[in-house]
Order: sequence, then C-alpha cells, then structure tokens
Amino acid sequence: ILNVEQSPQSLHVQEGDSTNFTCSFPSSNFYALHWYRWETAKSPEALFVMTLNGDEKKKGRISATLNTKEGYSYLYIKGSQPEDSATYLCAFKTNAGKSTFGDGTTLTVKP
Amino acid sequence: DVKVTQSSRYLVKRTGEKVFLECVQDMDHENMFWYRQDPGLGLRLIYFSYDVKMKEKGDIPEGYSVSREKKERFSLILESASTNQTSMYLCASSLYPGRTYEQYFGPGTRLTVT
Repeated sequence: ILNVEQSPQSLHVQEGDSTNFTCSFPSSNFYALHWYRWETAKSPEALFVMTLNGDEKKKGRISATLNTKEGYSYLYIKGSQPEDSATYLCAFKTNAGKSTFGDGTTLTVKP
Repeated sequence: DVKVTQSSRYLVKRTGEKVFLECVQDMDHENMFWYRQDPGLGLRLIYFSYDVKMKEKGDIPEGYSVSREKKERFSLILESASTNQTSMYLCASSLYPGRTYEQYFGPGTRLTVT
C-alpha cells in the first residue's frame, strides 16, 4: 500500500485568510496527482490534475503546485471564504490505474 | 454531467446478513471503483473494475466481493456483514486509465452493521 500523507489534518481560519496544505507521495512511479474537494453531504469533486514536475494549476482563488522529484504538492487558497469549507483530498496515481488517496485536510473557514 | 448514483444513502443491517450496495453511472465509463471511508483512514480502495466481468482487488478486499455484469453497474457485496464493516461506502467511475482522467463519485452509502 502506497503512503500518501496530507497535512495538516484540519485547519480553522478566518474569512479572508490565505492558507495552504500539503500532500506528500512516493517520488517513484509517479503518473499523476489529483486534488479533490469534498463538501459535507456532497460527493468529492475533482479540482486539479497534475502530471508534470513543476506544474502549477489555478482555478479562481485556488491554486496548486507539484514537485515530483521530492514527492509533494501544495494546495493554496487565497482569501478563504466560508464556501471553501470542505475536506481536500489528494490522490496519487500510478500507471497501473489505481489511485491512492490521502486522509484529507479538513478546512473550516469562519465568517 | 456525469452522474454516479448509489442505491441507498443510509442502510442498517444486522451482523451476518448479506448486503448489496449498488452503483450506476451514466457516462459509459470503463472504470468503476468501490471505496470505504473511515475517520483518520481516508478513502481506501476495496475493488475496482476495468470492464464488464473484470475485477481487481484493491487494498482492502477481505470480506467483500463485487459484480459487474453490465458496464454501467458495479455492485459491492458483503457476504456476511460484520460490525467492522460499518463505514461510508463510495462508488466512483472514470474513463479508461489515463493521467488526466479524474474519478466521479457517487453520494455515498453510510452502512451501519449492528
């Protein structure tokens, strides 16, 4: 079983704060890294897919970076809003087609 | 929009019962997956399937089996439910294995085994 770790486990911030969290994964056999957002009472939804070392992706106030050589990805949220409250999951994918998920970082944004 | 549906949102079963969890996707995806989610353990893969009648064990297949008779439907079977199978079960689907193909998830089934 591959080891994919996310930190911190949970985060509480005030509205307007910027925040970031980390996904660590094996640096060998890298194929892709996916970020998902999972809001309470909803299904996880894909945010980003990252495939190349040095990739940077952005969607609105959320962005992500990827370092495959050292085995980590950062997710950044600029100016957090209450609607950003969710659990953020990363999934490490090998070329065998399976994804191994981290435990997630649960973000709570207080108004 | 891709839609993945699961037969029940909440289910309560007794120890020893045979339990079927059904998942249906409407986008002709080749891949389908079953995960369970437990606090502090994240999403763990139980079984997945690349095509009809094909199945592969995931990381925690013990106590489970699956069936995929039609492309759109993937069933998870608990042959004899036990209390340690109380969990949230999520089904997902994706296009054929590829770097950029994300998974689309169903709403989940929260199973309680008493």
